[in-house]
Amino acid sequence: GAGVSQSPSNKVTEKGKDVELRCDPISGHTALYWYRQRLGQGLEFLIYFQGNSAPDKSGLPSDRFSAERTGESVSTLTIQRTQQEDSAVYLCASIPARLPQDTQYFGPGTRLTVL
Amino acid sequence: DQQVKQNSPSLSVQEGRISILNCDYTNSMFDYFLWYKKYPAEGPTFLISISSIKDKNEDGRFTVFLNKSAKHLSLHIVPSQPGDSAVYFCAASEWYTGNQFYFGTGTSLTVIP
Repeated sequence: GAGVSQSPSNKVTEKGKDVELRCDPISGHTALYWYRQRLGQGLEFLIYFQGNSAPDKSGLPSDRFSAERTGESVSTLTIQRTQQEDSAVYLCASIPARLPQDTQYFGPGTRLTVL
Repeated sequence: DQQVKQNSPSLSVQEGRISILNCDYTNSMFDYFLWYKKYPAEGPTFLISISSIKDKNEDGRFTVFLNKSAKHLSLHIVPSQPGDSAVYFCAASEWYTGNQFYFGTGTSLTVIP
């Protein structure tokens, strides 16, 4: 079946502009994560959605970052007034139901470059 | 503060030999550990996991060892194959109490034919 998809695959933007990144999880997966991977670093947790529960936003680095998810469908990560330090690969991952035996299925990522 | 650390950024191994990738963590509350493999321009893919109630989990050529007292886990690949060349990330979580997965910085494995 179809995996997790993300769009765009690459995004180049100018400092100060807003960007919106999209994630389409695997159908039926109730949980969704966003991560950021800066060059030479590990994956950094940003936000977690689980069904209709309030999202865990504890990883968002600043109030310029926000994310939405409607039900168990597509999620968008928005970065306002982008800064050069926002340049990274942004990955999303979905999980069927967050059972112990489940694992995250990652999308290919969006490479964001802020000039 | 990096709670999961992979201190070796790269590793080269001859085909057929054993690859050992190491990972250390600082949070004693972590109870679920995973290894992911990542090829360039692709998202990470799950490889193998282990819960804190076990000290070893094996899946084909891949074995993960967990040493809770040392807060250390390792991934063994035997025998190593050129297709195993990728970046390997370890990750940890407090599965039953938390939402977050904490990832290491990755180890780039090169298997030399």
